[in-house]
Amino acid sequence: DIQMTQSPSSLSASVGDRVTITCQASQDISNYLNWYQQKPGKAPKLLIYDASNLETGVPSRFSGSGSGTDFTFTISSLQPEDIATYYCQQYDNLLRSTFGGGTKVEIK
Amino acid sequence: EVQLVQSGAEVKKPGESLKISCKGSGYSFTSYWIGWVRQMPGKGLEWMGIIYPGDSDTRYSPSFQGQVTISADKSISTAYLQWSSLKASDTAMYYCVRGEDSSGWYDYWGQGTLVTVSS
Repeated sequence: DIQMTQSPSSLSASVGDRVTITCQASQDISNYLNWYQQKPGKAPKLLIYDASNLETGVPSRFSGSGSGTDFTFTISSLQPEDIATYYCQQYDNLLRSTFGGGTKVEIK
Repeated sequence: EVQLVQSGAEVKKPGESLKISCKGSGYSFTSYWIGWVRQMPGKGLEWMGIIYPGDSDTRYSPSFQGQVTISADKSISTAYLQWSSLKASDTAMYYCVRGEDSSGWYDYWGQGTLVTVSS
């Protein structure tokens, strides 16, 4: 199993702040890394796929980068509607997958 | 419009069996993977496994292999997740997800099925 270490587990930031979340894989996963947003009581939503590709309809303030074992997810200017928990997800060439532990984002 | 519609909430006793469902519509059901994701109360997402309804190719997480069975009936565009003997620790929300062939991201999610196991 490939393990995903996501940090921080929670953060508090002000509206307009730049927010950064990291995910580290236990082995090289190339760019097979996706990011999701989950709001309370809702199903997760895909934001970024294959490390840096923005899903259709997702605001451009969300972005992702990285390859190999180290990945970063960024919200360039935090908005009130971005309050949620964010998860990274890796997959391998057999499409087996694991999720990171999640990052809860709150407004300061 | 692509939709994944899951069966309703279940309340079961330990030791009972259960099969929950996920019906796909608005796309070619046999051309996409369907996966299952567990979320225990107040916890994160856990990947359980996936099935390709076109040929029933199924892959499991080691954590869930032997604990659940994933299946699909392509004639009615429905995937299933089943347990033969539930435990209290199976209490969770279960989501089905859709993934494109050869890609590992999930662009559509079901609304979730809450399974409660309690004596």
